[in-house]
Amino acid sequence: DQQVKQNSPSLSVQEGRISILNCDYTNSMFDYFLWYKKYPAEGPTFLISISSIKDKNEDGRFTVFLNKSAKHLSLHIVPSQPGDSAVYFCAAKGRISNFGNEKLTFGTGTRLTIIP
Amino acid sequence: DTAVSQTPKYLVTQMGNDKSIKCEQNLGHDTMYWYKQDSKKFLKIMFSYNNKELIINETVPNRFSPKSPDKAHLNLHINSLELGDSAVYFCASSQALSSNQPQHFGDGTRLSIL
Repeated sequence: DQQVKQNSPSLSVQEGRISILNCDYTNSMFDYFLWYKKYPAEGPTFLISISSIKDKNEDGRFTVFLNKSAKHLSLHIVPSQPGDSAVYFCAAKGRISNFGNEKLTFGTGTRLTIIP
Repeated sequence: DTAVSQTPKYLVTQMGNDKSIKCEQNLGHDTMYWYKQDSKKFLKIMFSYNNKELIINETVPNRFSPKSPDKAHLNLHINSLELGDSAVYFCASSQALSSNQPQHFGDGTRLSIL
């Protein structure tokens, strides 16, 4: 049962435009959300995060929005640059069940391609 | 200066062999993790250790045995390798288990079983 879903496996955006990556989750016990960026043959690197008590967090060109009622978050990148081409993973932190430990649950990623 | 380093980067071996992957972090973090990314690109946690103590074991077969000699190292030993073990294995670390500080990942070890 996939508790964090990224339904778009790929996305292409023109350079300079806005890139919007989406993520849905099902577990209401998740209390912290993160976005990671991954280049080929490298490990995921942390990009931006948001606590469940907030609905927006901004860091330079990157903004994450959280809609708790819809169990949906999105990452906005504006303006998009060629170096943003990578795979983006959404991750949620929290207990999967009442008896489990806190852990990160990842989505399957969205491959973003910025077209020059 | 690499924060989380794992070796080897590539590992090709035959079914039935035993192999180890090493991981070291120089961030002074208390918690370390092993993740497996399979062919469908799911990145799933396998183990986490906090100050050398096993915290999470995600129903991983006992052919997989993590070892943490100190809090800067978390090695993964795999016995009797099977075809289904082919994947990319990522090591990661974070400041503390319950902290919201992000996890830092190594570059992965691509394990291929022939």
